Amino acid sequence: GAVVSQHPSWVICKSGTSVKIECRSLDFQATTMFWYRQFPKQSLMLMATSNEGSKATYEQGVEKDKFLINHASLTLSTLTVTSAHPEDSSFYICSAPDPSGGYEQFFGPGTRLTVL
Amino acid sequence: KQEVTQIPAALSVPEGENLVLNCSFTDSAIYNLQWFRQDPGKGLTSLLLIQSSQREQTSGRLNASLDKSSGRSTLYIAASQPGDSATYLCGGNAGNMLTFGGGTRLMVKP
Repeated sequence: GAVVSQHPSWVICKSGTSVKIECRSLDFQATTMFWYRQFPKQSLMLMATSNEGSKATYEQGVEKDKFLINHASLTLSTLTVTSAHPEDSSFYICSAPDPSGGYEQFFGPGTRLTVL
Repeated sequence: KQEVTQIPAALSVPEGENLVLNCSFTDSAIYNLQWFRQDPGKGLTSLLLIQSSQREQTSGRLNASLDKSSGRSTLYIAASQPGDSATYLCGGNAGNMLTFGGGTRLMVKP
């Protein structure tokens, strides 16, 4: 199957700083990628849809000015958590759809963010 | 809007038992349904994908079924092993994005 990577796998930062998380499709192109957030012992919640060449689409309740998404190329989407606070500490996972159009989603390994 | 529910939220069984995890969804207009496994602190491992035109998929000791008319999917695990202990998530796809259930935390005791 297609491979999606994320970097970094974990990050610890101070409150008020910004953190960038990268999501890459390694062996295929993805015009669309998805960003999910998972709090401890909870399921994944979709944050936003990242679109190559256009603005991201954010789910209700997700602040677009706080969670900046840039789909810079057909293989890279970045999520920047700006002015991070402890409540932003979470597991962030990205996914990309099957490039052959089969609707299967391929997930990255996730990034653990801890804000002190 | 698609809503996905998983029952039970947690399950503990002795090794060797066959078990069934349940997933229900509100919008029958899904393209497919995926079952995932998630180990603590880790990402998602895709287990099975059932297309909307299919009724079941099998992989090893795992069998997943899909009944769109009733809005249900089940994941059957045969002869459970301690290594099967993890959280199992189902996700319904009604476009490109997935809507996830809350997951079932499975513990298989030796």
